Amino acid sequence: TQLLEQSPQFLSIQEGENLTVYCNSSSVFSSLQWYRQEPGEGPVLLVTVVTGGEVKKLKRLTFQFGDARKDSSLHITAAQPGDTGLYLCAGAKTGNTPLVFGKGTRLSVIA
Amino acid sequence: DAGITQSPRHKVTETGTPVTLRCHQTENHRYMYWYRQDPGHGLRLIHYSYGVKDTDKGEVSDGYSVSRSKTEDFLLTLESATSSQTSVYFCAISEGIVGRGYTFGSGTRLTVV
Repeated sequence: TQLLEQSPQFLSIQEGENLTVYCNSSSVFSSLQWYRQEPGEGPVLLVTVVTGGEVKKLKRLTFQFGDARKDSSLHITAAQPGDTGLYLCAGAKTGNTPLVFGKGTRLSVIA
Repeated sequence: DAGITQSPRHKVTETGTPVTLRCHQTENHRYMYWYRQDPGHGLRLIHYSYGVKDTDKGEVSDGYSVSRSKTEDFLLTLESATSSQTSVYFCAISEGIVGRGYTFGSGTRLTVV
């Protein structure tokens, strides 16, 4: 059973479009993180959210942690080809357990 | 300078042979992790370490062992490689078990034939 479900699995959009990817669970997490992974490389941390309802912005990327701390979303405004990659959410159920990862959303932004 | 390096980057081995993957860090982080990444499964935790000689199992630990004799090195051993262990293996480090997030190595692509 996958603890963190990400959707959509694949997303192909044109440059300039907006998009949202989702990370959902039936479990409560003490924190959620988002990573981006490019081919042949390891994931790179984008953001950590720890408070229910928290919203964080990183340039054109907006991250939200659900009020109940069971879900999170990543919204990209005016996507660019450089946003192409695999987006992974990861959560910690407690402060003493390693991260569990979702399967990822593979984003392709076409110029 | 990369704070975490994995070796080798690529390896092809035969079924039944032992294989050791190395992860080396220069950040003096307490926590180190081994994950495997497979299509359709995402990243799954194999083993992790919370200090020298202190390790614990993850979700998919069967067929794998680890050792950490120094803060900077975390070794993953496949005692007798099987085709199901063909995967991309990532090492990660962190200061706290979650904290400021994980820093990942560039991965080792292992093929068992």
